Amino acid sequence: EAQVTQNPRYLITVTGKKLTVTCSQNMNHEYMSWYRQDPGLGLRQIYYSMNVEVTDKGDVPEGYKVSRKEKRNFPLILESPSPNQTSLYFCASSPRDSYEPQHFGDGTRLSIL
Amino acid sequence: DQQVKQNSPSLSVQEGRISILNCDYTNSMFDYFLWYKKYPAEGPTFLISISSIKDKNEDGRFTVFLNKSAKHLSLHIVPSQPGDSAVYFCAAGLGNKLVFGAGTILRVKS
Repeated sequence: EAQVTQNPRYLITVTGKKLTVTCSQNMNHEYMSWYRQDPGLGLRQIYYSMNVEVTDKGDVPEGYKVSRKEKRNFPLILESPSPNQTSLYFCASSPRDSYEPQHFGDGTRLSIL
Repeated sequence: DQQVKQNSPSLSVQEGRISILNCDYTNSMFDYFLWYKKYPAEGPTFLISISSIKDKNEDGRFTVFLNKSAKHLSLHIVPSQPGDSAVYFCAAGLGNKLVFGAGTILRVKS
């Protein structure tokens, strides 16, 4: 089954404790992206990647890091999480670029106290 | 400053009638637009898209209209079904960046 898998689905943690949200896709897609969803703001793009070792900033990259060492994986790293990063996060992928429909994971709800 | 706005937070429609969801954007450089649907506890799923060189795209019950001069697009769902009840996001693209609106909650009453 074609899917984008995010882990964990839920996480409550404390300010400053580094965390990583993993994202993996099994569709051999080149394009992957991270979004955060906040009430009244919709989805905002954090980072995206066109292919292995190619990443670029979206609209809200501050406080986040990403890496793309393998085609299937695109982890989101919060080096020093802060309460304003409490949000619902989605990873997505598409065959080549954002012009094409993206497949989304089911989301990761992060609460940072 | 939101570049993509969905000014109606919610919309309620009777089953079988037309649902019209609206989206306005400010950047005339956006060259493609997409609509996604989202159910609770799930990720968004792609619905329909349109390139800036077109003014209409149709897929079954779903039609998207683009008015570039007004910087406005709309999604028409005809006929509406209870299973269409969800949050609908419009998104505008430039290069490989996507900007989403805040979403509209659609409720289709049976």
